[in-house]
Amino acid sequence: ELKVEQNPLFLSMQEGKNYTIYCNYSTTSDRLYWYRQDPGKSLESLFVLLSNGAVKQEGRLMASLDTKARLSTLHITAAVHDLSATYFCAVEGETSGSRLTFGEGTQLTVNP
Amino acid sequence: DAGVTQSPTHLIKTRGQQVTLRCSPKSGHDTVSWYQQALGQGPQFIFQYYEEEERQRGNFPDRFSGHQFPNYSSELNVNALLLGDSALYLCASSSLGRGTQYFGPGTRLLVL
Repeated sequence: ELKVEQNPLFLSMQEGKNYTIYCNYSTTSDRLYWYRQDPGKSLESLFVLLSNGAVKQEGRLMASLDTKARLSTLHITAAVHDLSATYFCAVEGETSGSRLTFGEGTQLTVNP
Repeated sequence: DAGVTQSPTHLIKTRGQQVTLRCSPKSGHDTVSWYQQALGQGPQFIFQYYEEEERQRGNFPDRFSGHQFPNYSSELNVNALLLGDSALYLCASSSLGRGTQYFGPGTRLLVL
């Protein structure tokens, strides 16, 4: 059974600081996704990572994938308040078809 | 370009009742997946429909059933509701059963 673990689960940081969220998964994966969720809202797709060494960047967020270590990171650069949200990584396992297995989420709060 | 739509947005039911949730996929998508998200947790995969058939199913009891129509829209039915079924139900669509899944706004179900 595919398991996905994120850490930290809660992250409080100051504006302007950098930090990294980690996502570990237990079995070989086809694809890894990062989603953002604002309180009471649905999930917004941020990145899809398809291969080992893949790196994608959008604004202050950068995601990377190491399939050998079964690890993805979401790096936040010079955080701003608007980045406050819950971030989920989700994995498509090679043997689980296109179903997504989600981590528990990282609740990020950026303080002024 | 219309995104994924879901109805209703909110629903209150009592234990033992039955509920039907509806989802219309993003234009050009033919695959619909359903997820249950309990408060403070990551979404859990319920099942996926493609070509009007259930392709994959997560670890949910038979009380959860679904249907996909020729126009690719989908319904999720839950019978004999339990208090623990209270959650945000998310529908996601994709193309040809693969690729990024785009999520709808969700239906928040409260069972009393």
